[in-house]
Amino acid sequence: DAKTTQPNSMESNEEEPVHLPCNHSTISGTDYIHWYRQLPSQGPEYVIHGLTSNVNNRMASLAIAEDRKSSTLILHRATLRDAAVYYCIDLGGSARQLTFGSGTQLTVLP
Amino acid sequence: KAGVTQTPRYLIKTRGQQVTLSCSPISGHRSVSWYQQTPGQGLQFLFEYFSETQRNKGNFPGRFSGRQFSNSRSEMNVSTLELGDSALYLCASSRGQLLSEQYFGPGTRLTVT
Repeated sequence: DAKTTQPNSMESNEEEPVHLPCNHSTISGTDYIHWYRQLPSQGPEYVIHGLTSNVNNRMASLAIAEDRKSSTLILHRATLRDAAVYYCIDLGGSARQLTFGSGTQLTVLP
Repeated sequence: KAGVTQTPRYLIKTRGQQVTLSCSPISGHRSVSWYQQTPGQGLQFLFEYFSETQRNKGNFPGRFSGRQFSNSRSEMNVSTLELGDSALYLCASSRGQLLSEQYFGPGTRLTVT
């Protein structure tokens, strides 16, 4: 079973920031938080991952709560191409597979 | 660098038949994982191969099997197809380290009639 919970859906306006939340209350000290997204008719795509500190890359930022029981994926300026299902995954150090939950369907409005 | 490729992209089979799907990972990647995606169950892990050895297996019946070749290419086989096997089958490759990014292919859409 997935160890994370996310809202089923969210909407955003184009060119505005989007904050996608994820709860991972059972996370252990060595588990990483990974985010993937799946655009329509495509396979999932890696977005970002982190352990404790906030992380940034060219696609997004990841803000991890101090107690690590929740995190937020931040898209700084949503575009229509960001419309996708976003998955938050709690990945243990010994894990050899990604366990996907139901994810958040992000709709970007023009 | 070329991405993960999967063949065929679409396939229609009849109940009771068997099917083989192919996956070519990104050059240099030694780990290949397979996932099944259905509307009802979402994305579910099937198995992972590394250096021609199965390292991990999901909760699927023995009708689902796979293998990996010395060039890291992988195949998965489903025997005695059932209607419920209709799904998108996704292959993902990674360098092999535990927490490395996985790169997914476009998938093979299998329809069982």
